[in-house]
Amino acid sequence: EAGVVQSPRYKIIEKKQPVAFWCNPISGHNTLYWYRQNLGQGPELLIRYENEEAVDDSQLPKDRFSAERLKGVDSTLKIQPAELGDSAVYLCASSLSRGELNEQFFGPGTRLTVL
Amino acid sequence: GEDVEQSLFLSVREGDSSVINCTYTDSSSTYLYWYKQEPGAGLQLLTYIFSNMDMKQDQRLTVLLNKKDKHLSLRIADTQTGDSAIYFCAEIWLTSGTYKYIFGTGTRLKVLA
Repeated sequence: EAGVVQSPRYKIIEKKQPVAFWCNPISGHNTLYWYRQNLGQGPELLIRYENEEAVDDSQLPKDRFSAERLKGVDSTLKIQPAELGDSAVYLCASSLSRGELNEQFFGPGTRLTVL
Repeated sequence: GEDVEQSLFLSVREGDSSVINCTYTDSSSTYLYWYKQEPGAGLQLLTYIFSNMDMKQDQRLTVLLNKKDKHLSLRIADTQTGDSAIYFCAEIWLTSGTYKYIFGTGTRLKVLA
């Protein structure tokens, strides 16, 4: 079974440019998460989807970040415009249910460098 | 605010036991997890413990939970070079009808041959 797929794996852009990350979760997983992991830190949740509904986006900087999961399957996270402080690894994860014990399966991440 | 803290580094010799520690802040956590992250990869769930348990053993892994002190530890017996990675503890709790997930800062384990 394929795991969580993310693309691109690496992205280098100049500040003020837009950037988008794509995630395809494990087939059948209705919950999808986007995390940001700064260097030397643990992942921080940006947004969580239950199917196509964003149920927790309280940590998403809405002035420049947006996300969508139109058909409840794959998802896109966008930053526009990017700032130097956005350099990080953006992780996507998925799980079967939103219950307490919901093992999250993580993708390899997209490493973003903003120059 | 919520905070989950871990020591940054741990170095052990192959065959020895490793103990990775974590302190968390929210006493209403229902589950606590240990994840492993290898270079260039996402996080992988290693094990978890219910908040009403004190200990859980899973092959070479032993998780200890001290709720009074809000302290969680992961012991890896007979540590191997393949165990070299970053280990994250994480807690989850229910607030305002939604689950919150907080990850620790991660402990980098280096196993010396």
